[in-house]
Amino acid sequence: NAGVTQTPKFQVLKTGQSMTLQCAQDMNHEYMSWYRQDPGMGLRLIHYSVGAGITDQGEVPNGYNVSRSTTEDFPLRLLSAAPSQTSVYFCASSYSPGREVTEAFFGQGTRLTVV
Amino acid sequence: GQNIDQPTEMTATEGAIVQINCTYQTSGFNGLFWYQQHAGEAPTFLSYNVLDGLEEKGRFSSFLSRSKGYSYLLLKELQMKDSASYLCAVRDWWGGSQGNLIFGKGTKLSVKP
Repeated sequence: NAGVTQTPKFQVLKTGQSMTLQCAQDMNHEYMSWYRQDPGMGLRLIHYSVGAGITDQGEVPNGYNVSRSTTEDFPLRLLSAAPSQTSVYFCASSYSPGREVTEAFFGQGTRLTVV
Repeated sequence: GQNIDQPTEMTATEGAIVQINCTYQTSGFNGLFWYQQHAGEAPTFLSYNVLDGLEEKGRFSSFLSRSKGYSYLLLKELQMKDSASYLCAVRDWWGGSQGNLIFGKGTKLSVKP
């Protein structure tokens, strides 16, 4: 059982470069989300999706884009990387609220450094 | 506003019991979650409370009081491997929300021999 698969695990970018962080889940979860984790800040929500074709902004969306063309995949795009985007990124998925089991499952994380 | 508070750091002794508190203020409420996160790893699910009371799962228990906006995670018979960060999270679900998880900043627990 793969769960939530996130790639790459590590990435170094130069300022201004763009890249896509991949996230895929095989649990048929409706809800998917992207968080960033910075020291002393906890996990902060970037973007989320409640189903294929539906996305919305979280707490810190600036500089990031998402799309959800399938239930399984939820990529995160950095449009023009900035040093402030140096962070650890986590993708998570869960069933929708109201279901009996709603805990979120996390991918292994991507450590991104922007120089 | 949305606010989840938990202590930044705690230290405990192997074999002892430790209680990690969490207080929250959110627009809506559809459950409180506790996650464990070892350094350099992803968070993993520990427990879930949606009704008031105590949920027990082996050495871990979690308590919820919705009227007080308060929860705690109780870890018994501490082991060295319990050294990790413990994250409190509330699912914020109301008319204008899609049920996002809001996380506290985490409590770093160090277990000493």
